[in-house]
Amino acid sequence: GAGVSQSPSNKVTEKGKDVELRCDPISGHTALYWYRQSLGQGLEFLIYFQGNSAPDKSGLPSDRFSAERTGGSVSTLTIQRTQQEDSAVYLCASSFPTSGIDTQYFGPGTRLTVL
Amino acid sequence: AQSVAQPEDQVNVAEGNPLTVKCTYSVSGNPYLFWYVQYPNRGLQFLLKYITGDNLVKGSYGFEAEFNKSQTSFHLKKPSALVSDSALYFCAVRDMNGATNKLIFGTGTLLAVQP
Repeated sequence: GAGVSQSPSNKVTEKGKDVELRCDPISGHTALYWYRQSLGQGLEFLIYFQGNSAPDKSGLPSDRFSAERTGGSVSTLTIQRTQQEDSAVYLCASSFPTSGIDTQYFGPGTRLTVL
Repeated sequence: AQSVAQPEDQVNVAEGNPLTVKCTYSVSGNPYLFWYVQYPNRGLQFLLKYITGDNLVKGSYGFEAEFNKSQTSFHLKKPSALVSDSALYFCAVRDMNGATNKLIFGTGTLLAVQP
């Protein structure tokens, strides 16, 4: 079946601009995660959505970062006033929690370059 | 603090030889452990996980991992390496604090299989 999809695959932007990254999870998966992969920080958790519960935003690095999930499916990660340190690969994952121990399936990522 | 360590940045092995990619963890309580593989310009692909039960876990593409509680390790193994196994491998542990299932990743190990 279809996996997690993300768009765009690559995004080049100028410092100070806003960007939106999109994630389409696997159909039926109720949990959705955003991670960031960068050379200096490795793979780090950003935000987590589960059903209708309030999202866990504990990993967002600054208030320039926000995310929403509409209708319990598609999610958008927004970065305002981008900085060069925001350059990274942004990975989305989804899962269907069973007994609390679920497997996360990742999308191909969006490579963001801030000039 | 919970953490995962992958002590080797790179592992080199000849095709046909057995391979081991090392991972150690530090968590409170029983760990839930995962291995993922990342091919160039691709997202993470799930290989296997340990939740409970048999210490030897079998996964995709002929990989297996052995959970060792006394050594707090979860090394990834394969009896006979293929050139196509060359990729970046990540070990991860589920964050046991809080209600999310977010993953804490190691820094990754680059596996290079020479023909």
